[in-house]
Amino acid sequence: EADIYQTPRYLVIGTGKKITLECSQTMGHDKMYWYQQDPGMELHLIHYSYGVNSTEKGDLSSESTVSRIRTEHFPLTLESARPSHTSQYLCASLGVRADTQYFGPGTRLTVL
Amino acid sequence: GNSVTQMEGPVTLSEEAFLTINCTYTATGYPSLFWYVQYPGEGLQLLLKATKADDKGSNKGFEATYRKETTSFHLEKGSVQVSDSAVYFCALDQGGKLIFGQGTELSVKP
Repeated sequence: EADIYQTPRYLVIGTGKKITLECSQTMGHDKMYWYQQDPGMELHLIHYSYGVNSTEKGDLSSESTVSRIRTEHFPLTLESARPSHTSQYLCASLGVRADTQYFGPGTRLTVL
Repeated sequence: GNSVTQMEGPVTLSEEAFLTINCTYTATGYPSLFWYVQYPGEGLQLLLKATKADDKGSNKGFEATYRKETTSFHLEKGSVQVSDSAVYFCALDQGGKLIFGQGTELSVKP
């Protein structure tokens, strides 16, 4: 079983608030990813990182930002949340010897 | 660009019925292919994978064969259980990034 954690699991906040979604993995994986999952289930890559101090935007444009200061930690930040940010956010990681990405349990965000 | 297309859901079956969820892909080259499963309230779990043409991935009674000639990777199970109720995603690997299909919700009734 993969060791990748996300907190909080559920978050309800008001418009305009700044939030950070946490993602940590204890497997020493270099590559980490953030996906946004629509209520209709589709998954879209919004950010990825191939190592410390490396971050890239994914296929779906997002107002969120990420950082990768430590290998095990890949937080996602929204400076000013809006109702359009309501979604589930899934974090994943991939190591050199891993053959597929391992996913965290997700954070379900609701912005009122 | 690369893409994955899955059959639309929801799919509703009775327990012990045969399951097929269709998945086709468009890609340059021969990427690895995956099926992921998402149970209610959880993240994605790898169900099975295939890395080259004619490979068959299998796990927990589910199977899928990498068909180069039809660019398909259909998921099958001979006898579904209520516990198989979940959302199933087909995906391909694009240089370390996953491209997902839109997901197919499966509901199995007792």
